[in-house]
Amino acid sequence: DAGVIQSPRHEVTEMGQEVTLRCKPISGHDYLFWYRQTMMRGLELLIYFNNNVPIDDSGMPEDRFSAKMPNASFSTLKIQPSEPRDSAVYFCASSSGQAPGRHTFGSGTRLTVV
Amino acid sequence: DAKTTQPPSMDCAEGRAANLPCNHSTISGNEYVYWYRQIHSQGPQYIIHGLKNNETNEMASLIITEDRKSSTLILPHATLRDTAVYYCIVRANNAGNMLTFGGGTRLMVKP
Repeated sequence: DAGVIQSPRHEVTEMGQEVTLRCKPISGHDYLFWYRQTMMRGLELLIYFNNNVPIDDSGMPEDRFSAKMPNASFSTLKIQPSEPRDSAVYFCASSSGQAPGRHTFGSGTRLTVV
Repeated sequence: DAKTTQPPSMDCAEGRAANLPCNHSTISGNEYVYWYRQIHSQGPQYIIHGLKNNETNEMASLIITEDRKSSTLILPHATLRDTAVYYCIVRANNAGNMLTFGGGTRLMVKP
């Protein structure tokens, strides 16, 4: 398995633009997580899905952020409109309900909003 | 999930054992101890987990005290590639599938 695949690896955008981050989880994993990492706040859970259904989105900072999982092999995190304070590394992770707590993380997307 | 306390940073000489401590004095009986590490510019990587018995795998050993209020992750022969931030996480396996990351310990392995 190629692991959790995220794209793009780097994204630079102007304030006010829409940004879409993409994630392909490991085949067979039924949980998918979106995390954000900054120097100030560390690694924060934004939202997670179980069997494509959002379970907990309490970490989503505000309505500008939205996440979808249309099928078991794809998820998106969208920021519209983007702001400079959204600059961070965004990680996607997946796991199996058979091994709770054992998450496999992607390589992350480094987002810079100028 | 129980809160964990880790030293912010540690140094270790290459080839020596790295012993990373974690305090989790409020751990409950159904909570496991998980360890992850994050090498610079990469996503976190699962290392090992345990409930009350000591555990060993190809990456590390996990020693949990008898009262379960603290644990130690041991890298038996640290290499430069083990330089990373190490996170100790306590979670119950019936608490969904979430992980809550704290500040971790930044381990610097020096030649």
